Amino acid sequence: DAGVTQSPTHLIKTRGQHVTLRCSPISGHKSVSWYQQVLGQGPQFIFQYYEKEERGRGNFPDRFSARQFPNYSSELNVNALLLGDSALYLCASSLTAESYNSPLHFGNGTRLTVT
Amino acid sequence: SQQGEEDPQALSIQEGENATMNCSYKTSINNLQWYRQNSGRGLVHLILIRSNEREKHSGRLRVTLDTSKKSSSLLITASRAADTASYFCATDAESGAGNMLTFGGGTRLMVKP
Repeated sequence: DAGVTQSPTHLIKTRGQHVTLRCSPISGHKSVSWYQQVLGQGPQFIFQYYEKEERGRGNFPDRFSARQFPNYSSELNVNALLLGDSALYLCASSLTAESYNSPLHFGNGTRLTVT
Repeated sequence: SQQGEEDPQALSIQEGENATMNCSYKTSINNLQWYRQNSGRGLVHLILIRSNEREKHSGRLRVTLDTSKKSSSLLITASRAADTASYFCATDAESGAGNMLTFGGGTRLMVKP
């Protein structure tokens, strides 16, 4: 079975631009979560979507938005990019909405560089 | 902000030795998980321990949880060069915030052949 797939793998953008990152979950997984991982740190939670509805939002500005489509794939959008948005953006899918009975399966991430 | 802190931040051992990593967290939890990350790649789930469990084993992995001290440890026995990676603990809020995991800063493990 295919794992979680993310596209693109690498991206270079200029400050002030907009970016869209895409994620396809493992077949049958209905929950998608997004995490930001700055170099040298652990991942930080951005969003969770389950059955196309937002289930949770981390401490990120409104420049960050996301959505989940009927096929459970997801997009993360970031507007007005700042240098500090440079990071590895990880998508994770799980069977259910709760972590205690359904561990996260991560994609390999999108490496975003803002210049 | 990071909920927990891993200790040590970096660990270098010889193949065959045991590796122990510690994690401390701040708030009450439902469960604690350990993940592994090879350089620049996604995280892989290793093991989950619930708040009412004290110890759990999976292959060469042994995890302990002390909720009174808000700490956990991950022991990798008989380490191999392929175990070289970063290891993260992750906790969820006791209030059950879905898949909102809070990760620590990670321990970078290097196993020398």
